[in-house]
Amino acid sequence: AQSVTQLDSQVPVFEEAPVELRCNYSSSVSVYLFWYVQYPNQGLQLLLKYLSGSTLVKGINGFEAEFNKSQTSFHLRKPSVHISDTAEYFCAVSPNFGNEKLTFGTGTRLTIIP
Amino acid sequence: KAGVTQTPRYLIKTRGQQVTLSCSPISGHRSVSWYQQTPGQGLQFLFEYFSETQRNKGNFPGRFSGRQFSNSRSEMNVSTLELGDSALYLCASGESRSLGKETQYFGPGTRLLVL
Repeated sequence: AQSVTQLDSQVPVFEEAPVELRCNYSSSVSVYLFWYVQYPNQGLQLLLKYLSGSTLVKGINGFEAEFNKSQTSFHLRKPSVHISDTAEYFCAVSPNFGNEKLTFGTGTRLTIIP
Repeated sequence: KAGVTQTPRYLIKTRGQQVTLSCSPISGHRSVSWYQQTPGQGLQFLFEYFSETQRNKGNFPGRFSGRQFSNSRSEMNVSTLELGDSALYLCASGESRSLGKETQYFGPGTRLLVL
C-alpha cells in the first residue's frame, strides 16, 4: 500500500515570495507522483505529474516539483507567488503498474499575504 | 469540451435516507472515479468505473455503491445515510485505461449534508 504525508497543513507566504510545499510518500514499489490544486468551491486540477525521466517536473502556473527517490519526496515549489495561488494543494501517488487508484495526502492550505 | 459536471451541487438529507449523485464525464472519457472529501479524513477513494465495470474499490461500507452507464455517465448511491456521510463528493473522469498514470479531471463536487 502507498501513503502520502504532507507535513504542513497550512503555509502562509507573502506575495512575490518563494514557497515550497512538502510531500513525502511511502511505497514498496515504484510510483507515479502528482500535485493537484483545489481553488475555493471548485474541484481539483492537475498542476503537474512525474511518471518517469527527468526528476524536475514543470507544471502550470509557474509551479515545479522535484522527485527525490532516495528521500521519497516530491516537494512543490514556486519562485514567486501571487494572490491567485491561494488554494489547497494535494500531493498524490499511485503504483506504476496496473490500474491502481490515487492515494492523496491530507492537503496543504496555501495563504498568500498581500 | 465541456468539463465534468455533477448534479446536484448541494443536497440536504436526514439520517436513514438514501441519496443518488450523478456525474457526467468529459466527452470521450470512459473512466469515472468517485472520491469523498471531508475535513477530518481528506480525500478518500470510493470506486472507479471503466466501460461500465467497477475496476477499483476503496474501503467503504456496502452502503456506498455506484454504477456506470453505456454513455459513461455514472451515479453513486448511499443508502441509510449517517451523519458521518456529510462530505463533498467529487467525481473525476479520465480518458485512458491506465488509471494510475493518467490525469484525472475533477468536477466541482456535490456537497452533501446529513442532518
